[in-house]
Amino acid sequence: GQQVQQSPASLVLQEGENAELQCNFSTSLNSMQWFYQRPEGSLVSLFYNPSGTKQSGRLTSTTVIKERRSSLHISSSQITDSGTYLCAMGGSNAKLTFGKGTKLSVKS
Amino acid sequence: AQTIHQWPVAEIKAVGSPLSLGCTIKGKSSPNLYWYWQATGGTLQQLFYSITVGQVESVVQLNLSASRPKDDQFILSTEKLLLSHSGFYLCAWKVGDNQAPLFGEGTRLSVL
Repeated sequence: GQQVQQSPASLVLQEGENAELQCNFSTSLNSMQWFYQRPEGSLVSLFYNPSGTKQSGRLTSTTVIKERRSSLHISSSQITDSGTYLCAMGGSNAKLTFGKGTKLSVKS
Repeated sequence: AQTIHQWPVAEIKAVGSPLSLGCTIKGKSSPNLYWYWQATGGTLQQLFYSITVGQVESVVQLNLSASRPKDDQFILSTEKLLLSHSGFYLCAWKVGDNQAPLFGEGTRLSVL
């Protein structure tokens, strides 16, 4: 079946440092999406990025289909960026397969 | 404005008791709706999806069922809860073909 591997599992940064989160998927996909999960559990959609590069503020997502990977770059990290970042691969029947997430902690 | 509302926000239930979780969409007709579940510390999994009233497809079997009684309503239920049903349940609807789904605020369920 479809598998999504995220790395690292956790990351601790000093405020102002950059972060690079990785997502690798096992099969061909219809879409690649990135979400931020708040500590209480709710999700915020960050990027719908099936291929190429997209940027929103300090966040940049790059998906390379032929290499079966996607990355999320966070520049100049802030304490409020702390939380869990999830990537999800879209397949047939609109099924989303999520990775286990990267838990980010930004300290002052 | 399009909104998605889940209820209840949290539940504490006994093993063997019934459960009903709800999700309502406002501002969109005939939405594609989804139920997701995440065990504490676990991976988010898609449980069910529905593209129209009365039609529900199961993605993962967890001794749960789902129904679409109205165009804007999606219900998740079971007659007998298990300890393994504990976790966080999210409802979502697909905004468009090339867009990420919009998620509700979720329901946290503790089965004791």
